[in-house]
Amino acid sequence: DAGVIQSPRHEVTEMGQEVTLRCKPISGHNSLFWYRQTMMRGLELLIYFNNNVPIDDSGMPEDRFSAKMPNASFSTLKIQPSEPRDSAVYFCASRRNFYGYTFGSGTRLTVV
Amino acid sequence: AQTVTQSQPEMSVQEAETVTLSCTYDTSESDYYLFWYKQPPSRQMILVIRQEAYKQQNATENRFSVNFQKAAKSFSLKISDSQLGDAAMYFCAYRSGDNYGQNFVFGPGTRLSVLP
Repeated sequence: DAGVIQSPRHEVTEMGQEVTLRCKPISGHNSLFWYRQTMMRGLELLIYFNNNVPIDDSGMPEDRFSAKMPNASFSTLKIQPSEPRDSAVYFCASRRNFYGYTFGSGTRLTVV
Repeated sequence: AQTVTQSQPEMSVQEAETVTLSCTYDTSESDYYLFWYKQPPSRQMILVIRQEAYKQQNATENRFSVNFQKAAKSFSLKISDSQLGDAAMYFCAYRSGDNYGQNFVFGPGTRLSVLP
């Protein structure tokens, strides 16, 4: 079991550029979550999917953020256009049952 | 809305000693789950221990144990025989017992330093 795999581990981009973060959940997990971690706001849920369907995206900051889960083994979080205030660590997590949440190692995004 | 509070931004403990991290939460629900997550410098969020609110018995995992006081809405983490590898940010988290309650509510975290 390779765990939840996120890529890239680090991303540095210029303001205005499009950024795509990727996540591969654990096989068999049917729920996937995207979190953002900043010093100011801590860990915030952005969106979660259940069986590839977005269930709650109320945490998505604004229209510049979008997330997709085209199949059970892959999800993306896209920011277009990126802004310096989007700089944060973005975590993906997946779960199979009521308890078993597993987090990825996160992507540290820096927008300059 | 549920809230989770960790009143200790930073804590330190001597190696091999015991330390307790505090967490309080606010909820009107009776069915919920509480978690402690560890985040070392590697950034990985690692589940340390979990407590179901309907269980009176405090959860334990090796050197980690909790003191769950449901009436007081308190959920502290005790680390015994502290090791250098325990140094990390520790987050207390709440999740509703409702199957649709997917969202964790995380506390602000406590940074634990372990002194050799």
